[in-house]
Amino acid sequence: DTAVSQTPKYLVTQMGNDKSIKCEQNLGHDTMYWYKQDSKKFLKIMFSYNNKELIINETVPNRFSPKSPDKAHLNLHINSLELGDSAVYFCASSYGRPGDTQYFGPGTRLTVL
Amino acid sequence: AQSVTQLDSHVSVSEGTPVLLRCNYSSSYSPSLFWYVQHPNKGLQLLLKYTSAATLVKGINGFEAEFKKSETSFHLTKPSAHMSDAAEYFCVAGGTSYGKLTFGQGTILTVHP
Repeated sequence: DTAVSQTPKYLVTQMGNDKSIKCEQNLGHDTMYWYKQDSKKFLKIMFSYNNKELIINETVPNRFSPKSPDKAHLNLHINSLELGDSAVYFCASSYGRPGDTQYFGPGTRLTVL
Repeated sequence: AQSVTQLDSHVSVSEGTPVLLRCNYSSSYSPSLFWYVQHPNKGLQLLLKYTSAATLVKGINGFEAEFKKSETSFHLTKPSAHMSDAAEYFCVAGGTSYGKLTFGQGTILTVHP
């Protein structure tokens, strides 16, 4: 059983396009996250939702908009894609309490041409 | 505020020899600390975590880490490296509300036959 799944696994698109990445977790967690891993493999949190409510919003451009239709899903929509958006995006989930383990999805490799 | 520093960007060992991956942290409160592993083109897998119960933490695949508050360190060790251990390892600090994680820069472990 896949705990945290993301689709698509690979996404290649042109500059200026709009794209979405979907994430689903079947662990019963209340909190979901989006992380960006850059070309140097550095991981940084972008957003976090707890029970469909945005609770962490790091300094991310407005072109990035997370949407949580229910607590098992957290999608990431990106408008007007730029070359610098090329990265691997990871979704994760946890119970959201300090010290709780976060379980990561397999990642989505986004390439903007 | 939290920060995590992994002292080596690359570590190279021979199969069967010990592994030491070093991590220092800085935190204004008692953090939760994690080690995650990322194999090439894969997601992140939890190796082990420290949450103040015991300073020596055992993880999967023979890895363990020791929390030393006086040295603000959480080094990862394994007595005998295996070829399958070749991957990138991330030291991570948590413990804030809603589970925000701070990642180190990563250490690439290479294992030679």
